[in-house]
Parts: sequence; structure tokens; C-alpha cells
Amino acid sequence: EVQLVESGGGLVNPGGSLRLSCAASGLSFSYAWMNWVRQAPGKGLEWVGRIKSQSEGGTVDYSAPVRGRFTISRDDSKNTLFLQTNSLKTDDTAVYYCVTNSNSSPRYLDQWGQGTLVTVSS
Amino acid sequence: QSVLTQPPSVSGTPGQRVIISCSGSSSNIGVRNVYWYHQLPGTAPKLLLYRNDQRPSGVPDRFSGSKSGTSASLAIDGLRSEDEADYYCATWDTSLSGWVFGGGTKLTVL
Repeated sequence: EVQLVESGGGLVNPGGSLRLSCAASGLSFSYAWMNWVRQAPGKGLEWVGRIKSQSEGGTVDYSAPVRGRFTISRDDSKNTLFLQTNSLKTDDTAVYYCVTNSNSSPRYLDQWGQGTLVTVSS
Repeated sequence: QSVLTQPPSVSGTPGQRVIISCSGSSSNIGVRNVYWYHQLPGTAPKLLLYRNDQRPSGVPDRFSGSKSGTSASLAIDGLRSEDEADYYCATWDTSLSGWVFGGGTKLTVL
């Protein structure tokens, strides 16, 4: 069974930074494409970005609102996904979910973690 | 403003059939598969349908999906109280090069 456990959320001032982590188990993490999806309080889902497996180039794609401020990375030796968030804005307040892509193509958003809450406020 | 358009809410009585629509464009639904997720209150979203109409194991056949042109729909037959949740459609947008979602539809079982 796939388990995804996010951590690192909290309260941060506007302009600040946070590093979120997602510990994965129950899957071949090094071959997995991984995503971050966020959900502002009382709002819908918004894709943040994706990192491909290293064997497929490790390419990272971001949504327009976070490009240049957020960085997705992975440590396959620790089965862990990261989201470095910089220059945070109040609009970045959300629950951040770690999401796997399916193994089969065309890949889709498959398994979701329980999320970690990031609150940007002074 | 979401790229995909869903009705904010739908409702039905137990046993009834409800349909949730999802409208997109030629850069997303028109050329890509549609996926549906449901989110129970206070929990993470969960995959409900993949590749337009495929059910993951464990999803009852009361849930079905279809796609035509730039629109898709989710149908729930034999509505049950435990179906009360938020439902989201999603797909890959080729112009934005990213996943896009509908704004979500809150299903209320009366």
C-alpha cells in the first residue's frame, strides 16, 4: 500500500520560506513521477508542479503562480520529495498535498498524501 | 477562475441519479483524458475515475464517466448518503503544460 506523509507546514510571514517534505513508502519511489497539489482554505485544487524520475531526466515543471519562487526536488535514497517555497505570499496559504503519478502512461494523479498546512500571515 | 468549469453544487435524494458536468477546451479535455476525484470533508482527495470512465478497484459501479468533445461528465446512480462530498474533474492542459482542475462540485444528498 502506498503511503505518503507530508510534513514541514506551519505559520510563516509574507516573504518567508518553508521547506515541505513528503516521505513515501510502498512504491518504487525512484521510478515515480511526483507532484505537489495545493488547496486554499474552502477552495478548489490547484496543481503546483511535478518532478519526473531521474531515469527519465528528472525534469521539473511548475504552474505559473509559483514558477521562480518554488523548487521541487527529490532524494531517491531517502524516498522523499521536497517543496522549497520562497517569497511566500498570503495567496500561498493552503494545504499542500504530495501526489504520485500512475506508473502507466498516460500518467495521471493517483495516490494522495494527507497534506500539510502552510499559513502565510503576519 | 478555474480552467475547467463545474457546477458549484448538485443535490439529489437517496436512490436518485445525479450528473456532474465538466467543461473544458481544445487544449485540455478536447485532447486529453479526464479524471475525477472526490473529497470527503476534512480528508484528502481520492481518485474516483481515470481515463474518462475507468474505475479503480474498490470504486462501485454506481459511478460512471463519459467524455464528448471538450466536455465530460460523472454520473452517480443509486445515490447514497455517503456520497456527500466534493467532486473535482481534472486533466492535463497542453497549452499550460500542467494539470488543471474544475472548481469542484459539492454534492448534497437530501
